[in-house]
Formats: sequence, C-alpha cells, structure tokens
Amino acid sequence: GAVVSQHPSRVICKSGTSVKIECRSLDFQATTMFWYRQFPKQSLMLMATSNEGSKATYEQGVEKDKFLINHASLTLSTLTVTSAHPEDSSFYICSASRGQGKGYEQYFGPGTRLTVT
Amino acid sequence: DQQVKQNSPSLSVQEGRISILNCDYTNSMFDYFLWYKKYPAEGPTFLISISSIKDKNEDGRFTVFLNKSAKHLSLHIVPSQPGDSAVYFCAAIWRQGGSEKLVFGKGTKLTVNP
Repeated sequence: GAVVSQHPSRVICKSGTSVKIECRSLDFQATTMFWYRQFPKQSLMLMATSNEGSKATYEQGVEKDKFLINHASLTLSTLTVTSAHPEDSSFYICSASRGQGKGYEQYFGPGTRLTVT
Repeated sequence: DQQVKQNSPSLSVQEGRISILNCDYTNSMFDYFLWYKKYPAEGPTFLISISSIKDKNEDGRFTVFLNKSAKHLSLHIVPSQPGDSAVYFCAAIWRQGGSEKLVFGKGTKLTVNP
C-alpha cells in the first residue's frame, strides 16, 4: 500500500507557458500533500504543504502566484507552474501523508522532470 | 543555509563489506531523523528512522546511529549488496506550529560493486 503517482514523468515546455503536474495517492486518502523541488546535486527542498480543501502553505522564497497548488480531493493535488522560465527547470516531487502534517509518514511520488526551453 | 549536511556525494563499497553513510545537522531542535533510499526515476522510499532519545536503531542489515552531542548520525549497511546501490538521503523533522516538515540533505550516491 501507500503508492503515490505523478503525471507526467517528464515534460518539456516553452518559456512563458504553464504546465500542470498531478500527484495522486492511489490506495489511501492523503490528508496532506507536499511538493518538493530538487536541483541537480542538491537536496529536496520543500516548496509547499497542502491540506485537502484549504489553501497551501508556501515556504519562504516560493512564489505562490507562480506555483499554484490545488488539493481538490483526498487523492489528488496539482502543481501548476505558471509562465515558466528556464530557471524553473527542475525535478518536482510530491509526497502524500495520511496524517495531519506528519512528516515521517510521507510517501513519495516518482517525480516529474520539467524542462523549460 | 544547509541544516542537514551529507558531505560525501558518493561512496563506493565492495559487496559484502560495510557501507557507512554520514550525516551532520546544525539545528539542535531536530528530534527525529530518517534515512531515505532513492533509485533513479523513482521517489525516495523510507528506510529507517531514529528518535533523538535513542542512539541506535537497527532493522535487519540497516543500523542508524545518532550522536546528539556531535549532531551526527550515520547509516550502516552490512553486509552491503549490489541492490543497495542508490542515493541515500538523510532527513530531519522540523516541527513548527503543529505541523512537521522534512529537511533533507543533498544525498550520497552509494555504489556496491559485485
């Protein structure tokens, strides 16, 4: 159990366009979902935490208008990178948790490689 | 400001030998630590954890040691197997306002040679 999927696995988009990444918990209800970004040879950096039905909590330095997060149901959260630029190219990973913000109960998706040309 | 540090980007070990992956942290408020394993094109998977009230936790071939005074933890894998080849992330729990989040290190790529 505790499988998390992400779609797409990789995406290439042109500068100025928007791209949506989906994160789904396949066999459990995720009260909390997290979005991370990882640059090459760097650690996973938490971007935002989202609870179903409420607004996401963004980490310092993450633009909420640029990275739109929607946690519409207990099994789906989406991250939309708006007006993407080459510097947004990165590896985006989501995780899902059954608990309310229990960091150590996170199950990670396989990640999405975003390349902005 | 990297609060969780994994200073060795890579480690190569012979099959059957011990692998020791190290992790240092700077924030004394961290009270729970985890190790994750990540294969290419997959998300990190939880491996083993340790609470700050303990100095050792063992699970099969994996043992995590915590030295609070030195703000250092290590993951020991013995005996190492080729299937252990992966990137290992050290993470700490940061608690704030009733919620918790993971703070990750940069990872260490372990290669176990047959």
